Amino acid sequence: EAGVAQSPRYKIIEKRQSVAFWCNPISGHATLYWYQQILGQGPKLLIQFQNNGVVDDSQLPKDRFSAERLKGVDSTLKIQPAKLEDSAVYLCASSIIQGRGDTQYFGPGTRLTVL
Amino acid sequence: QKEVEQDPGPLSVPEGAIVSLNCTYSNSAFQYFMWYRQYSRKGPELLMYTYSSGNKEDGRFTAQVDKSSKYISLFIRDSQPSDSATYLCAMSPTGAGTASKLTFGTGTRLQVTL
Repeated sequence: EAGVAQSPRYKIIEKRQSVAFWCNPISGHATLYWYQQILGQGPKLLIQFQNNGVVDDSQLPKDRFSAERLKGVDSTLKIQPAKLEDSAVYLCASSIIQGRGDTQYFGPGTRLTVL
Repeated sequence: QKEVEQDPGPLSVPEGAIVSLNCTYSNSAFQYFMWYRQYSRKGPELLMYTYSSGNKEDGRFTAQVDKSSKYISLFIRDSQPSDSATYLCAMSPTGAGTASKLTFGTGTRLQVTL
């Protein structure tokens, strides 16, 4: 079974520039998550999709971050404009409900450096 | 106060040692408790998944949950150099049949030396 795919793996931009990340979840997984992991910290949920609808975006800085999941499959996360504090690894995860709860499978992440 | 507290380490142990990793939490609504392993420059991968209080064993790994103390542990027996990674605890309040919203600890970096 192919895992969660993310691209690019690394990105370096200057502050105030825009950037976009792409995620392709595991086939058949209805739920997709974007997390932000700052160095030395655990992942923090930014947004959760169920199919192509948003379930939770309470921690997404909506003034600069946006995300979409068209057709309930791939997803993109955009930052516009970027700030220095956005330097982090952006992780995408997907899951499928199986019995009691679900298991989230993570992609390798995109490492963003904002200069 | 953070919802989930985890000692960041680093923790260095010799090969073959028993490793104990711990997290405390403050949210009584957490029902599902997980341990993820994250190798450098990789995404987290699920190691153990437990529901409510009790113990769960899987090979060299044992997860313990004590809801009365709001304390969870992961034990690694006969530790190997390949166990060197960051270990993240994660928790969720949601119940059966729903997608989970995970709250992670900061992670403990473990180094197993030869």
